[in-house]
Amino acid sequence: GAVVSQHPSWVICKSGTSVKIECRSLDFQATTMFWYRQFPKQSLMLMATSNEGSKATYEQGVEKDKFLINHASLTLSTLTVTSAHPEDSSFYICSAEYRQGVFQPQHFGDGTRLSIL
Amino acid sequence: GQSLEQPSEVTAVEGAIVQINCTYQTSGFYGLSWYQQHDGGAPTFLSYNGLDGLEETGRFSSFLSRSDSYGYLLLQELQMKDSASYFCAWVSLEDDKIIFGKGTRLHILP
Repeated sequence: GAVVSQHPSWVICKSGTSVKIECRSLDFQATTMFWYRQFPKQSLMLMATSNEGSKATYEQGVEKDKFLINHASLTLSTLTVTSAHPEDSSFYICSAEYRQGVFQPQHFGDGTRLSIL
Repeated sequence: GQSLEQPSEVTAVEGAIVQINCTYQTSGFYGLSWYQQHDGGAPTFLSYNGLDGLEETGRFSSFLSRSDSYGYLLLQELQMKDSASYFCAWVSLEDDKIIFGKGTRLHILP
């Protein structure tokens, strides 16, 4: 079964609305969570890395004030798209891992399809 | 920064073998992973190469040559359900970041 739950799976809202997306690790404590964005027929682009209890690290070109990330516990990270506009419409995916020093594949959520009207 | 190149599309016949190549420019301490993604779905981990050589997992195998900055994913006994996009991905062993290639769309013909 799924080890990372992402909610909601689909959001449609009006321009100017803020949207919150949750990413939960279900049966493990995630030391790190990652947020990605994927436009149609394109690759996944890493937006930010989120470590529990500390500020997220954003990739170059990603607006921190636009995409607010909170990682308040070892099982939950949230991404808030503030004042969303049509160009923010995309597929947002989170992943989570428990860092052990040896390679372990990240576990991905099922993604959130965001459509801004 | 890191950049990974792979063919945009590949077509193969059901039951056949197909190889998807990935060349890259990168730095740092890294491994190479492969992910499968069906339309509308999340990426699914397929394989990882931390060292040079071949890794085999069932019908899927992956190869890495650091000296050639090259890797490939080999899919055997193709099934229709293998129709999907396949991404090679650079995995930083310093902070676990994943940088995905642009993806290869695999079409399977009956």
